[in-house]
Amino acid sequence: SQQGEEDPQALSIQEGENATMNCSYKTSINNLQWYRQNSGRGLVHLILIRSNEREKHSGRLRVTLDTSKKSSSLLITASRAADTASYFCATSASNAGKSTFGDGTTLTVKP
Amino acid sequence: KAGVTQTPRYLIKTRGQQVTLSCSPISGHRSVSWYQQTPGQGLQFLFEYFSETQRNKGNFPGRFSGRQFSNSRSEMNVSTLELGDSALYLCASTSGAYNEQFFGPGTRLTVL
Repeated sequence: SQQGEEDPQALSIQEGENATMNCSYKTSINNLQWYRQNSGRGLVHLILIRSNEREKHSGRLRVTLDTSKKSSSLLITASRAADTASYFCATSASNAGKSTFGDGTTLTVKP
Repeated sequence: KAGVTQTPRYLIKTRGQQVTLSCSPISGHRSVSWYQQTPGQGLQFLFEYFSETQRNKGNFPGRFSGRQFSNSRSEMNVSTLELGDSALYLCASTSGAYNEQFFGPGTRLTVL
């Protein structure tokens, strides 16, 4: 089974609203990464947060990590129609190139 | 820097055939990982190569294999294709410090 679970599975909002997606995982991690995927294309790397970090920002993105709860959240502020995509979290448990992905959240931003 | 490149982008094969997919990582990255994405199973890790050696392996049958060359380019091979092998195959290039993984555009394999 997958390491992570994302919540909600699907999210539909209006342009300008904020979107929050959550990711839970099961085992200790070294880092957690968030990705965006448009319509079955490649994954676009959004942000990496290390296990000793609690919060990171990148543009309109804010990621939090709570290792005690084994969870992370991705907040997209002031969403745009172009943010419509699937979002995945991926965890890595060691210093190696193996990540375990969640099932993803499908975000629809209506203009 | 150029991103991760994968070739071909699309492939159509028939059951029983074999296929080879290629991935060129970001310049300077020595780790290449392969993932399979299907609607039913999601994104699943296949294997990772580092300095021409397989460093990690996922839970896939032996029909799935890979290798890495001295220039860090990697290939994966699937033999005796099955209908269930139809998927998007993604290659990722990993940077050294914090293992940021950057993905290529993928190869869409359809098995008929």
